[in-house]
Amino acid sequence: SSELTQDPAVSVALGQTVRITCQGDSLRSYYASWYQQKPGQAPVLVIYGKNNRPSGIPDRFSGSSSGNTASLTITGAQAEDEADYYCNSRDSSGNLGVFGGGTKLTVL
Amino acid sequence: EVQLVESGGGLVKPGGSLRLSCAASGFTFSSYSMNWVRQAPGKGLEWVSSISSSSSYIYYADSVKGRFTISRDNAKNSLYLQMNSLRAEDTAVYYCARDKMAGPDAFDIWGQGTMVTVSS
Repeated sequence: SSELTQDPAVSVALGQTVRITCQGDSLRSYYASWYQQKPGQAPVLVIYGKNNRPSGIPDRFSGSSSGNTASLTITGAQAEDEADYYCNSRDSSGNLGVFGGGTKLTVL
Repeated sequence: EVQLVESGGGLVKPGGSLRLSCAASGFTFSSYSMNWVRQAPGKGLEWVSSISSSSSYIYYADSVKGRFTISRDNAKNSLYLQMNSLRAEDTAVYYCARDKMAGPDAFDIWGQGTMVTVSS
């Protein structure tokens, strides 16, 4: 199996830029995808692949990857971006899914 | 509208069984791999199981292997999760999620979730 590690909590001032990271050995072989989850709601895909945004996701969300670390960057964070963010990828076998522990983003 | 709707959750005693369903609409269900993802109260997301479009490939998380069975009925546009030998730690909201058809992996459509509570 494989693990993905995220910082439990991150904060950002309104309008500033924040990066949320996800570390794991499997990220050397597989892309991460990123999900936003607000209280009481289902997760929403915000970034996948090298740096792809689904339709309807603001372009202030972007993704990148280097070595064993994937990053989600929010450029010009808005109050509505306050949420939990989860990374997801495959395990080392390539067959099983794995999520990071999640990062709670606070917009100050 | 592309939609996934889960049902079948509820309260069950430890050791009991439950069958979850996920009804798909608004897309060609038979073309997509599908997944179950769960979230224990106040905790993070946990991938549970996946099934390919034709049911040829099925995978489970170690935490549920041997107890849970994923299946699908493409004629009924439905995904299922049979859960046996339930434990307190299986208490969670269970989401069904669609795999993106092409390109890098991602779960692009999620249902609203169904709550499973395992308690005596």
